[in-house]
Amino acid sequence: NAGVTQTPKFRVLKTGQSMTLLCAQDMNHEYMYWYRQDPGMGLRLIHYSVGEGTTAKGEVPDGYNVSRLKKQNFLLGLESAAPSQTSVYFCASSYLNTDTQYFGPGTRLTVL
Amino acid sequence: EDQVTQSPEALRLQEGESSSLNCSYTVSGLRGLFWYRQDPGKGPEFLFTLYSAGEEKEKERLKATLTKKESFLHITAPKPEDSATYLCAVQVRTGNQFYFGTGTSLTVIP
Repeated sequence: NAGVTQTPKFRVLKTGQSMTLLCAQDMNHEYMYWYRQDPGMGLRLIHYSVGEGTTAKGEVPDGYNVSRLKKQNFLLGLESAAPSQTSVYFCASSYLNTDTQYFGPGTRLTVL
Repeated sequence: EDQVTQSPEALRLQEGESSSLNCSYTVSGLRGLFWYRQDPGKGPEFLFTLYSAGEEKEKERLKATLTKKESFLHITAPKPEDSATYLCAVQVRTGNQFYFGTGTSLTVIP
C-alpha cells in the first residue's frame, strides 16, 4: 500500500498561472481533504469530499476548486495563482468522518 | 469561535527529561481530539484519538490524556528520535471540520 500520495512534490508558479495538485489514495477511503499549512497558522482545511462526486468547502476555500471524479483521487485546482497561495499543501483521507486522517507527504508551492 | 491552542510553541529537553505538551480547546461540542507527529518536510503522522474526558491512551514513551477543556501529551524519558513537531486537532460535532493547533516543536538533546 502506498497510502496517500501527492503530485507534484514542489512547484513554482508565476502570479496568474494555473495548476492542479493531484492526491491519490489506495485505502478505499470515503473521505478526502485538502489542507494548507503556513508558519504560525497551523493546518487549515480548504475543501473536502465525503465521497465520489461530492465536494464541500472548508475553512479557507477562496481561490481554489476541487473535483472528486474517482473515489481514489482528489484534485485541487488554482485557476489564477496569487502570492498569498504560497504554502505547503497536504492531502488527507479517512474511512469515516470520525476516523483517523492519513496524510500525504505534501506539495510545496511557491507563487512569485 | 472554535479554537485550538497549543503550548509551549517550542520545547527543548535533555534525553530522559520527562515533560508534557498542552492542547487547550474551545469548541461547540467535541467529537474527537487527535494528536499527530510531524517530522520536517513530511506529512503529519497519526498518534492518538481521544473521545471523552478522562480517556487516556499510551504508545511507547507517549501518553495522551483528555479533560473537558484540554489535552496533554506526556513524554516519558524522551529520546532524540522523539524530536518532531506535535500537532493537536479537534473535530467538532457538527459538520466535518477539523481544527488544528499550530503545534509544539520538541527537540530532545542527547
